[in-house]
Amino acid sequence: AQRVTQPEKLLSVFKGAPVELKCNYSYSGSPELFWYVQYSRQRLQLLLRHISRESIKGFTADLNKGETSFHLKKPFAQEEDSAMYYCALSGLSFNKFYFGSGTKLNVKP
Amino acid sequence: SQTIHQWPATLVQPVGSPLSLECTVEGTSNPNLYWYRQAAGRGLQLLFYSIGIDQISSEVPQNLSASRPQDRQFILSSKKLLLSDSGFYLCAWSDKGSQQNTEAFFGQGTRLTVV
Repeated sequence: AQRVTQPEKLLSVFKGAPVELKCNYSYSGSPELFWYVQYSRQRLQLLLRHISRESIKGFTADLNKGETSFHLKKPFAQEEDSAMYYCALSGLSFNKFYFGSGTKLNVKP
Repeated sequence: SQTIHQWPATLVQPVGSPLSLECTVEGTSNPNLYWYRQAAGRGLQLLFYSIGIDQISSEVPQNLSASRPQDRQFILSSKKLLLSDSGFYLCAWSDKGSQQNTEAFFGQGTRLTVV
């Protein structure tokens, strides 16, 4: 069965500090991995997907199939990064998206 | 461009009353549609997904049901609400596109409080 695990419910860092939001997954196959973000009073939206190998708002995420991880990283956190972050996966059929429990990132001034 | 509408934004219902939450998508055809519940500390739980009209799959056993009477309309229902049905419900859609275009787009959500 598929599962997405985000071990941290809350992560607090100071502005300018590096940040890493952890995500581990289990899936019997080759999943697609995503990070979604929900800013205050906004709807949930895609931040980045592993297949695009892109950097969005300074965030990157590398898929490590050996460790089944897809951690989200940013070298220098900004206050506007404060939000709820969800890791998600979808399977080969791309019909279903499974989400983790989310990590609330709080960037302090 | 595609848009997704979900209503109502908030709802307070007594225990035992029926429920109907509606979601519609514009600007696309034959989308995949989803209902999620967002609970504090438990993240987003996939409740139902649909790949077409009257084609609905349930992910978890529950007191809720879903229907898709039209291509771009997805309805979440209950005959008798329980206290445990309280939560934040999100509707989403995705294209049946290529791997590179896969993405779920979310509505604004409905805050349901069962009292």
